[in-house]
Amino acid sequence: QQQVKQSPQSLIVQKGGISIINCAYENTAFDYFPWYQQFPGKGPALLIAIRPDVSEKKEGRFTISFNKSAKQFSLHIMDSQPGDSATYFCAAGSGNTGKLIFGQGTTLQVKP
Amino acid sequence: DAGVTQSPTHLIKTRGQHVTLRCSPISGHKSVSWYQQVLGQGPQFIFQYYEKEERGRGNFPDRFSARQFPNYSSELNVNALLLGDSALYLCASSFGGRGPLYEQYFGPGTRLTVT
Repeated sequence: QQQVKQSPQSLIVQKGGISIINCAYENTAFDYFPWYQQFPGKGPALLIAIRPDVSEKKEGRFTISFNKSAKQFSLHIMDSQPGDSATYFCAAGSGNTGKLIFGQGTTLQVKP
Repeated sequence: DAGVTQSPTHLIKTRGQHVTLRCSPISGHKSVSWYQQVLGQGPQFIFQYYEKEERGRGNFPDRFSARQFPNYSSELNVNALLLGDSALYLCASSFGGRGPLYEQYFGPGTRLTVT
């Protein structure tokens, strides 16, 4: 019940295309859903986060879509660029514990 | 503003030894969390500290311990190292330990190799 399942494991997108990464969770106590971007040899960097009281949040080229009834959320990267090539992690947390549960990660490659 | 800092950057230890990893949070942040990231996987939660008190503990053996100091910096200690402890150890800083809007910012990590 504590798992967060992320798909796909890897993704190849052409420059200018849309990258879509999906996550699903089971624990309805989760109330905070961030996405992190990680480059090789670096720590994860917070990209964007959403709470379950909204269905969508957009920041620049990054959008989170949230479906509370299906217990799913996704990251959309519009106009994908080669510099977006990295590993992306979704996570879920509960305000009561402060603990983040991470998905397994998606390796994104954006081809020029 | 300085982000989360961790030391050392890399560390090589032998099985059975002890290791101490250090973390300084973002200025003004009072909470520090520790995560273990094995190659090819997502980070796994180890501990969270807020105002020098342990607020959460993940599913790790008692060989793992941590503490937070009055200046909010933190140490992660691992005793009796095993080969399986080889990983990137990440420290995350947040303003508060609880609350639906709190955000965690990660440091660059310490790469621990156990031989």
